[in-house]
Amino acid sequence: GESVGLHLPTLSVQEGDNSIINCAYSNSASDYFIWYKQESGKGPQFIIDIRSNMDKRQGQRVTVLLNKTVKHLSLQIAATQPGDSAVYFCAENTRGSNYKLTFGKGTLLTVNP
Amino acid sequence: SAVISQKPSRDICQRGTSLTIQCQVDSQVTMMFWYRQQPGQSLTLIATANQGSEATYESGFVIDKFPISRPNLTFSTLTVSNMSPEDSSIYLCSVNLQGWNTEAFFGQGTRLTVV
Repeated sequence: GESVGLHLPTLSVQEGDNSIINCAYSNSASDYFIWYKQESGKGPQFIIDIRSNMDKRQGQRVTVLLNKTVKHLSLQIAATQPGDSAVYFCAENTRGSNYKLTFGKGTLLTVNP
Repeated sequence: SAVISQKPSRDICQRGTSLTIQCQVDSQVTMMFWYRQQPGQSLTLIATANQGSEATYESGFVIDKFPISRPNLTFSTLTVSNMSPEDSSIYLCSVNLQGWNTEAFFGQGTRLTVV
């Protein structure tokens, strides 16, 4: 079936740098996207979301970009901090999918002090 | 938001036995979900727990292996039956409060090791 995937399984950055985590999705009917952060031993934590009628959304230190033409999603983290070290998942939902989320593979972000 | 509590947080079980995982939510919710996260992997939906009716299972998951109860709008259980080492995973409970295009909230997960 269609799925959501990630380009990079690991990303290592220096503290203070900006991080970019990418996600490709294959379901052209996807119309809602979420980024989750999962720290070791914890459940996924919501970071930011975006609907398909938007191409950019900003939060505190985070920005999500959506390119529907190439079915690509990215999460940008500004001034990355050691506390940002975690696994990041993109997830998608589709109207009519009965609220079910499909998750991408995940990217491990490591922030070096 | 929602506060979701799962019990147990972790367990080590013998193969062939069963484990029941509990999920308690601090508010009434219609949509509850159970996910599995195998070591180093992403989350895979097991089933949607429907209040007042049988759970809806995803492809590859069956009721005999993963029976689910949903006795009310704040509670659900997932049982992992006749366990084998391949069932070693993190099992996560999730709820959606407001609709298909809003975020889902997750419990902290139950880390299961089958020996």
